[in-house]
Amino acid sequence: SQQGEEDPQALSIQEGENATMNCSYKTSINNLQWYRQNSGRGLVHLILIRSNEREKHSGRLRVTLDTSKKSSSLLITASRAADTASYFCATDQTGANNLFFGTGTRLTVIP
Amino acid sequence: DAGVTQSPTHLIKTRGQQVTLRCSPKSGHDTVSWYQQALGQGPQFIFQYYEEEERQRGNFPDRFSGHQFPNYSSELNVNALLLGDSALYLCASSLYGRVTDTQYFGPGTRLTVL
Repeated sequence: SQQGEEDPQALSIQEGENATMNCSYKTSINNLQWYRQNSGRGLVHLILIRSNEREKHSGRLRVTLDTSKKSSSLLITASRAADTASYFCATDQTGANNLFFGTGTRLTVIP
Repeated sequence: DAGVTQSPTHLIKTRGQQVTLRCSPKSGHDTVSWYQQALGQGPQFIFQYYEEEERQRGNFPDRFSGHQFPNYSSELNVNALLLGDSALYLCASSLYGRVTDTQYFGPGTRLTVL
């Protein structure tokens, strides 16, 4: 079964706008990761945030983590057409020693 | 620096047949994890191989088995294929058996079962 659930399922924005997607999960975690997948191919790791961190930045990406609400958000600023992809959160559930992926958000950036 | 490679890219099989998928990890990595991704879903963990042994296993039947070779490459075998086994099979590599650190994914093998 899948641990995380992304929201929204699909998002369509204009190039230059910001995109925000959310991830909710059910149990305590050690870390949370975000991955990108283009056209049903391999996943690319974007960022990892540990349970004792609240915010992390990487280039145009900003990730927040609220362990009390069991949720995370991924913000992509100044979006580009090349950001069009599916985005997945993956949680490292305490005691499980494997990653649980959510159902993904499909982002479309219109040029 | 060679990334994760998988073969074949696509595969078509019929129900009841057996299939073998192959994965070579990123250069320097010693741990291989396999995931199944059904259409429109997120990847689901099948199992992990480290030091040539299966270390962790997800909720998959025994029809799914694997192997890791001394050069760290790995195979995923699926017996008695069902229509529901149609999916993208992803291989990911990492270090020291750490499947919860950053995973480096291959391009996947698309399996279609008819």
